[in-house]
Amino acid sequence: GDSVTQMEGPVTLSEEAFLTINCTYTATGYPSLFWYVQYPGEGLQLLLKATKADDKGSNKGFEATYRKETTSFHLEKGSVQVSDSAVYFCALSDRSNYKLTFGKGTLLTVNP
Amino acid sequence: DAGVIQSPRHEVTEMGQEVTLRCKPISGHDYLFWYRQTMMRGLELLIYFNNNVPIDDSGMPEDRFSAKMPNASFSTLKIQPSEPRDSAVYFCASSGTTLSRGEKLFFGSGTQLSVL
Repeated sequence: GDSVTQMEGPVTLSEEAFLTINCTYTATGYPSLFWYVQYPGEGLQLLLKATKADDKGSNKGFEATYRKETTSFHLEKGSVQVSDSAVYFCALSDRSNYKLTFGKGTLLTVNP
Repeated sequence: DAGVIQSPRHEVTEMGQEVTLRCKPISGHDYLFWYRQTMMRGLELLIYFNNNVPIDDSGMPEDRFSAKMPNASFSTLKIQPSEPRDSAVYFCASSGTTLSRGEKLFFGSGTQLSVL
């Protein structure tokens, strides 16, 4: 079945550092790929998405590129802020049955 | 719209008791999902509905769990009897078929369940 593997955290960075959170997936067909973010005490929110190979999703300075050849969708940000501290989830959507499969999440802590 | 509304935010109960979690999806959304989040297993899909009909309940852990959606604006997840291993955060999410490819889920704030 479909699965998502993302790097285990926690990840701790200083403000303005470069961020990479790795994500790889296994799926039949051509899924849509997503990054969701969960701030403390809240539900998940969509951060960015990509629906086909070589698409780049971007939002709030975060970017991720759909790499079909490496089945990856790594999340990057050039300069993190304290307010980016949250749990980040990589996910894929199987369009045939409308389900989202999530990775286990990566906790990011950004220190001033 | 107020977003996806879940109640209660926190529930503490004793083993063996019945627990009912409630969800009101965003108006107009015709897909509703129940997820469970734990440290060990991450985010797991329990069940989802389309137009109030359960489509896939393969994630429901056992017969103690049941979910209903009597109408388009309300769903419940019931655990009877509850056990300590059911302690988790339970999220409800909804989405609509008018979305373009790349479906977006809207999540509620979750119910933190503690079974003592």
